[in-house]
Amino acid sequence: GAVVSQHPSRVICKSGTSVKIECRSLDFQATTMFWYRQFPKKSLMLMATSNEGSKATYEQGVEKDKFLINHASLTLSTLTVTSAHPEDSSFYICSARDLVSYEQFFGPGTRLTVL
Amino acid sequence: DAKTTQPPSMDCAEGRAANLPCNHSTISGNEYVYWYRQIHSQGPQYIIHGLKNNETNEMASLIITEDRKSSTLILPHATLRDTAVYYCIVSLWGTASKLTFGTGTRLQVTL
Repeated sequence: GAVVSQHPSRVICKSGTSVKIECRSLDFQATTMFWYRQFPKKSLMLMATSNEGSKATYEQGVEKDKFLINHASLTLSTLTVTSAHPEDSSFYICSARDLVSYEQFFGPGTRLTVL
Repeated sequence: DAKTTQPPSMDCAEGRAANLPCNHSTISGNEYVYWYRQIHSQGPQYIIHGLKNNETNEMASLIITEDRKSSTLILPHATLRDTAVYYCIVSLWGTASKLTFGTGTRLQVTL
C-alpha cells in the first residue's frame, strides 16, 4: 500500500522556539495533504488542508500565523509550529490524497512536547 | 459533511466476528461511508469504503442499509491486533473529499 512518512517522529523543544514537521508521500503524488492534531484520548481534529503550489486552507479556530504550512512539491508538505508553547504539545498527523486514486493515506504521526 | 454516531466502546472475543455500527442519518446522496482505525499512538489506517452497495475486502465487510442512514463494519474473525479505535466517516469522493473524524468506537478484543 501507499506510504506516507513523517519526520521527526518525536520532538521536544523549549517554549518560544519553532518546530518544523515534514510529511512525505513516498510512492505516490499528492496535490492535497491534510494536517491533523490529536490530544490524548481525543479524536483527530483537522487543522488545515494543504494544496500544492497554493496557500493552505485553515479550519475555523486554527491560527494560520502560528501553524505555517508549505506544500512546495507533489510529495512534500511541511507544518511549522511557530513560537511553540506547552499547550501546543500534541500528536500531529498528516495525510496525503493520491492525485490519481483519490485515496487518502495517513502518516505515522509526530509527537511534539513543548517544555 | 454529514455527522456520524458510533457507540463509544465495544468488546469482542478473539476469533468471533466484530460488528461495529454507525449511524449517519444526514448523509447526502453523493457522500461515501469510510472506515478507518487507529491503533494506539499510530496514524489512522484505511479499512474500507462504500457508497450504496455492500463491500468486502481482505480486512473487513461493510454493510450499508438501503436508506443509507446507517452502516455496519464487520471484522469476520477478530484478533488481538484488531484492538483499536474505529472511525466511521462520511465524505465526498475525489478532489472534494475531506475526512473529518468523530469520536469513534474503541474496540477491545479479548482472549
